[in-house]
Amino acid sequence: DAEITQSPRHKITETGRQVTLACHQTWNHNNMFWYRQDLGHGLRLIHYSYGVQDTNKGEVSDGYSVSRSNTEDLPLTLESAASSQTSVYFCASSPSGWGTPLHFGNGTRLTVT
Amino acid sequence: SQQGEEDPQALSIQEGENATMNCSYKTSINNLQWYRQNSGRGLVHLILIRSNEREKHSGRLRVTLDTSKKSSSLLITASRAADTASYFCATDSYGQNFVFGPGTRLSVLP
Repeated sequence: DAEITQSPRHKITETGRQVTLACHQTWNHNNMFWYRQDLGHGLRLIHYSYGVQDTNKGEVSDGYSVSRSNTEDLPLTLESAASSQTSVYFCASSPSGWGTPLHFGNGTRLTVT
Repeated sequence: SQQGEEDPQALSIQEGENATMNCSYKTSINNLQWYRQNSGRGLVHLILIRSNEREKHSGRLRVTLDTSKKSSSLLITASRAADTASYFCATDSYGQNFVFGPGTRLSVLP
């Protein structure tokens, strides 16, 4: 069965360190997204990609970057981790086109100390 | 800024009862989707309703959309303990990705 996998599931890092969260999907979807989930805010879009070599900033992109070198992967990098980036991060993918349902991974819980 | 806003924030009901959650949004949309999130897991797509549709059903789920009031409701009939989860609405419009509300936490008590 196709799936979307995030790793690691839990990560603790120190302020100022660079951190990369992995996202791998086997749906062969063109669209991939990174969200963060915080209490009271729902899910907020960080970055997204509509295909290989395409990346775009979302609502809360400061301090984050992504790259898309193939269809399956969209790693999220925190350039210099800050305590404000402590959150649960979700990766999602969807087929091309507007309004297509999102398929989510199970999240990475990141703690920045 | 959030587009969708669910109401209530939390809801507790007994098994077998119906659960109704509402979603209000601010601007015109193309589609509205409902998702469920179990504790510690990712969101799972439940149902999509397009702006030209008024009602959709899927199993025990019924979704309505009133574009004049910019609101949607999700009804879960004959609820079960396994329906305990958070429920989110997400809206999109042309040129804009999905925007999620803060969610409704549903507890179904045995």
